Amino acid sequence: QKEVEQNSGPLSVPEGAIASLNCTYSDRGSQSFFWYRQYSGKSPELIMFIYSNGDKEDGRFTAQLNKASQYVSLLIRDSQPSDSATYLCAVNILGNEKLTFGTGTRLTIIP
Amino acid sequence: KAGVTQTPRYLIKTRGQQVTLSCSPISGHRSVSWYQQTPGQGLQFLFEYFSETQRNKGNFPGRFSGRQFSNSRSEMNVSTLELGDSALYLCASSLAGQGSEQYFGPGTRLTVT
Repeated sequence: QKEVEQNSGPLSVPEGAIASLNCTYSDRGSQSFFWYRQYSGKSPELIMFIYSNGDKEDGRFTAQLNKASQYVSLLIRDSQPSDSATYLCAVNILGNEKLTFGTGTRLTIIP
Repeated sequence: KAGVTQTPRYLIKTRGQQVTLSCSPISGHRSVSWYQQTPGQGLQFLFEYFSETQRNKGNFPGRFSGRQFSNSRSEMNVSTLELGDSALYLCASSLAGQGSEQYFGPGTRLTVT
């Protein structure tokens, strides 16, 4: 089992709809969770981080963490064509100074 | 505040050569991590430096090495280059390390021929 798993996609969502990206992780000791957006040919850009169970909202983005079920998700409301990118989930285990990335989900927003 | 910078941005080397890549973190950040990104393997962790000490290392051969200077700038070196080393090399800086938010530089695109 991979440490961090994401559906590779591609995930196609109509403009204006909600895009839902999911990530599961295997280690129950995981403490920090991050979402990065990566445009083709560019480096990853941090868009959200969450440390506690529940929801965290920032503009059109909401991160949701459920430690009991070992998943973290990212919701993008009012999706725009500029949201088309690969979204990387990253997880850190407390006491282990290593950030583990999923392979990413490719999101396409259809105008 | 200036972001993470990496030099050079692009590099073409021949098999057997060595290469040194440089990373300057965000001002005040003491942790620098290095990653290799390839289409087949995704983002793979190389190592992390904090206050000039290597704190963690990924599963890469000894040909990959790094160091950090007192001003937090970091370099990574790859010796005896192989074709499979062709990749995007990314560095990321953070205040406290891998458990905190990391910010990536633009990367160095290395091509080995």
